[in-house]
Amino acid sequence: NFMLTQPHSVSESPGKTVTISCTRSSGSIASNYVQWYQQRPGSSPTTVIYEDNQRPSGVPDRFSGSIDSSSNSASLTISGLKTEDEADYYCQSYDSSIYWVFGGGTKLTVL
Amino acid sequence: EVQLVESGGGLVQPGGSLRLSCAASGFTFSSYEMNWVRQAPGKGLEWVSYISSSGSTIYYADSVKGRFTISRDNAKNSLYLQMNSLRAEDTAVYYCALVCYIPCVDYWGQGTLVTVSS
Repeated sequence: NFMLTQPHSVSESPGKTVTISCTRSSGSIASNYVQWYQQRPGSSPTTVIYEDNQRPSGVPDRFSGSIDSSSNSASLTISGLKTEDEADYYCQSYDSSIYWVFGGGTKLTVL
Repeated sequence: EVQLVESGGGLVQPGGSLRLSCAASGFTFSSYEMNWVRQAPGKGLEWVSYISSSGSTIYYADSVKGRFTISRDNAKNSLYLQMNSLRAEDTAVYYCALVCYIPCVDYWGQGTLVTVSS
């Protein structure tokens, strides 16, 4: 079993760029795909990144994902921040290729 | 369009039971794996259970093993979660989630709230 660790919160100004990290505690970050979900207040999660760096149709190209084996972490980068990006963001990966493991979530404030 | 609609949540006493349902539409339900995920009030997401497309392979989180049972009826395009011996710590919004729909995007329902309290 492994854990995914995210910063509790991040904040940035509109128009700027923010990066949210997701660090895997054991095993290689590259061994299983990482997904990122956005959850706005009062709503259910939606996928903004799948398979490490792929964007679903309809997700703006301001959202990008990457993995870094040297730090054993994944990152979600949002550029050109908009107030509508304010939400909780969760990373997710697989344990034993089946079980979903979630990071604790990061609250993004755009101020 | 993928749609997942959960139902069956409500207020139940500790030790009680509830059965959640998830009605699926907009995709070939019998071809896809499904998960239940929960979120306690003000907390993060917690994976609860997994079921393969045929229903032959099932997994549970340790926190619910022996108390919860996942199942599906592919003829009715429906996913279920039977929850027994409920505890206060099971209080959460329960989401059904479609795993890796073309190309490989996960989709979530709107959730149903389960409150375990006397």
